[in-house]
Amino acid sequence: DIQMTQSPSSVSASVGDRIIITCRASQDVKTWLAWYQQRPGKAPQLLIYAASTLQSGVPSRFSGSGFGTDFTLTITRLQPEDFATYYCHQANSFPHTFGGGTKVEIK
Amino acid sequence: QVHLVESGGGVVQPGGTLRLSCVGSGFAFSSFGIHWVRQAPGKGLEWVAIVTKDGKNEDYADSVKGRFIISRDNFKNTVDLQMSGLRHDDTAVYYCARVNTGSDPRYGTDVWGQGTTVTVSS
Repeated sequence: DIQMTQSPSSVSASVGDRIIITCRASQDVKTWLAWYQQRPGKAPQLLIYAASTLQSGVPSRFSGSGFGTDFTLTITRLQPEDFATYYCHQANSFPHTFGGGTKVEIK
Repeated sequence: QVHLVESGGGVVQPGGTLRLSCVGSGFAFSSFGIHWVRQAPGKGLEWVAIVTKDGKNEDYADSVKGRFIISRDNFKNTVDLQMSGLRHDDTAVYYCARVNTGSDPRYGTDVWGQGTTVTVSS
């Protein structure tokens, strides 16, 4: 199975900051990497798919990049509603796997 | 509006069985593959299973293979997850989620249900 390693596991930031979350795959997943946001008690929401494609309706302050084994999710100008947990998801091969999550907290 | 709604969760003893159901509405259900993803209390997301849009193919996580069966009924717009041989570590919120773009699972999952809670306890 492909292991997905996210870092950091948590980050403290302020409104207006830029943060970068990284996700590393144990094997090549090509471009097949998605990012999700999950707020407490809610279902995950798709932010980015195919590594860099912004899902419809997602604000442009979210962006993704990467290919192969190394990927990043960048959030610019952090907003209050962005404080949540973020997960990467490799969708290149079965079984699909998720990263362990990155919790973005208010500093 | 596009919706997925899960049901069937509850408390079950170790070794027991439970059947979860996911009903879709507001979209062409038969055009979309469906995943099940779970989340243990305080933990991250774990992919469980997928069924293709026509129900002819499925795949499972190693942790549930041989114990869980995913199936669908496109006339009723439902996807079920039959769970047997339940263990304590199957305790989780179970979400169903739609394959983004319909049939190619490589594009992630764009619509999720609200989840149904399964607790395995004696």
